Amino acid sequence: KNEVEQSPQNLTAQEGEFITINCSYSVGISALHWLQQHPGGGIVSLFMLSSGKKKHGRLIATINIQEKHSSLHITASHPRDSAVYICAAHPLTTSGTYKYIFGTGTRLKVLA
Amino acid sequence: GAVVSQHPSRVICKSGTSVKIECRSLDFQATTMFWYRQFPKQSLMLMATSNEGSKATYEQGVEKDKFLINHASLTLSTLTVTSAHPEDSSFYICSARDWGHTEAFFGQGTRLTVV
Repeated sequence: KNEVEQSPQNLTAQEGEFITINCSYSVGISALHWLQQHPGGGIVSLFMLSSGKKKHGRLIATINIQEKHSSLHITASHPRDSAVYICAAHPLTTSGTYKYIFGTGTRLKVLA
Repeated sequence: GAVVSQHPSRVICKSGTSVKIECRSLDFQATTMFWYRQFPKQSLMLMATSNEGSKATYEQGVEKDKFLINHASLTLSTLTVTSAHPEDSSFYICSARDWGHTEAFFGQGTRLTVV
């Protein structure tokens, strides 16, 4: 079992729908990072969370440290939101290497 | 967010030749850089971590003589794939972080095809 699990793996939505992507982790973390990877491969940082909730435009990310769970929400989805969304956990570590543990990604396709 | 520039975005090379990929932090000091490899529809696989001025730390199973990493300055790290073979064809992506910051920023990636 992966230390960071994402669901769903694949998601197809109609334009305008509200989308939720979930991320659960089994290790202690210092922060969780939501990333967006476009079809060309480049990765964009969306949010870094250690507690609570963050919002940027149509994107909202929440994290519940006690439940070891984070969600990424997209409101009023648009075809340009089509991408792979990856959650990456920063495990608590004394080594200072700051290595990510990546989820397997959620492939989102938004249809016009 | 901070900008990491990776070059080239695509490269095709002949089997047996070497290819260098550059990763630059444009507006911050990249004290640590990470190099990843990604196979189609799979997650990122960490190859190595490099701290400026130090030798890179390679993950288990990654050949250090095959994938040479240099991090000689606070803004530039390079990955050289030596004596490339078709099985080295993949998507390579770097990320960089500044000392004291948890968040790392990613380059655009390089799609390497060895023919």
